Order: sequence, then C-alpha cells, then structure tokens
Amino acid sequence: QQQVKQSPQSLIVQKGGISIINCAYENTAFDYFPWYQQFPGKGPALLIAIRPDVSEKKEGRFTISFNKSAKQFSLHIMDSQPGDSATYFCAASRKGNEKLTFGTGTRLTIIP
Amino acid sequence: DAGVTQSPTHLIKTRGQHVTLRCSPISGHKSVSWYQQVLGQGPQFIFQYYEKEERGRGNFPDRFSARQFPNYSSELNVNALLLGDSALYLCASSSLVETQYFGPGTRLLVL
Repeated sequence: QQQVKQSPQSLIVQKGGISIINCAYENTAFDYFPWYQQFPGKGPALLIAIRPDVSEKKEGRFTISFNKSAKQFSLHIMDSQPGDSATYFCAASRKGNEKLTFGTGTRLTIIP
Repeated sequence: DAGVTQSPTHLIKTRGQHVTLRCSPISGHKSVSWYQQVLGQGPQFIFQYYEKEERGRGNFPDRFSARQFPNYSSELNVNALLLGDSALYLCASSSLVETQYFGPGTRLLVL
C-alpha cells in the first residue's frame, strides 16, 4: 500500500521559473512532512519540513504548502537554478515515530 | 562536523552470500534507521534502533537483521542474498524525534 503519492514523476523547468511538486497522503496519523533532495550517488539531504499546524513554511527559495483537509502538500522552488536539478522526495511520519514513508520521487531538470 | 558515515561505499556479492553494512551516526545521535532504496524508487524503511533497542521494523524478510552498539553505531546484516537485494542501503541518524539525516549509502550489487 502506497501511503504517500508523489507527482509528477519528472519535471523540466526553465531557469528562473517555479518548480512545483505535489504529494498526497492517506494516513491521517502522519504528523511530520519533510522534503529530501537527492543527487546521483548521494544520500537524501533534508531540504525543508512542515508540521500540519501551519499551512505554509518558507526557507529561502523553497516553500512547503500544506492542506490538511485535502491531505496534500507541495514543494515550490522559486527562481529555479541548474544546481537544483536533482531527485526530490516527499515523506511523512507519525508523531513520535521516526519511520519515514517516502513518495516515489520527482526527477527535476532545470534547463538554461 | 562529521555527518553520517557508512561503509563500504560499494559492494559486489553473489547470490546466497551474506553481507554486513556499517553505519556511524552523527555524534550525539542515539537513533539509527536503515532504508533500502531500489533504483528509481523512494527509500523503504527496514529497521530503526534507539539506545540499542529495536524500535521498528519494516516489511522485510527475516534474512535482514540489524543491531546497534554501545557507541550507537549500527550494522545491517543480510543473509542468503537474492538478486532483488541489489539496492542502495541508506543509514539515517537522529537526535530529535522526527529529523533524520542520511548517510551517502552503500551500493550493493548481487550477481
């Protein structure tokens, strides 16, 4: 059972544009929603995370939007740069439980 | 500051063999989790250890086992390797309840 669905599978955005990746979850017990960035041959790196008591969190060019009633959350990358080209994973975990359930990933390519 | 370290970086084994993967968490972190990442997919949870006790186990066969040592480092063992065990094995450590930091992984190829 896939508990976190991620889309799109791949995304091509022009430099300077906005990249948007969406995730939906099923388990209402999830209480923590991080996004990870992974470059080829590397482990995932924590990018930004949100808890459901806020609807938006911004860190630099990265913003998470969270819709608790729809059980959806998304990552927005503003002013996308070629260095942002990587695979992005959304994830979710339950309160007090560190087990992360990951989405299937989005391969983002930023073109000049 | 040193991040999560894993060894070896790459490993080639044949079917039926046994493998041991090692992980050292970030200094001060007492929790270690293991994940399997098959090419093109998201990481799948295998085990979590906290203070040397198993806190969680994912949907993996008994061929997979792990342990955590007094210095909080950890080993993941896989017996009777199958071709389908070929993957990137990731270790993550944390001190807070929900923030996990991943190591670079061990790439295992089973022939």
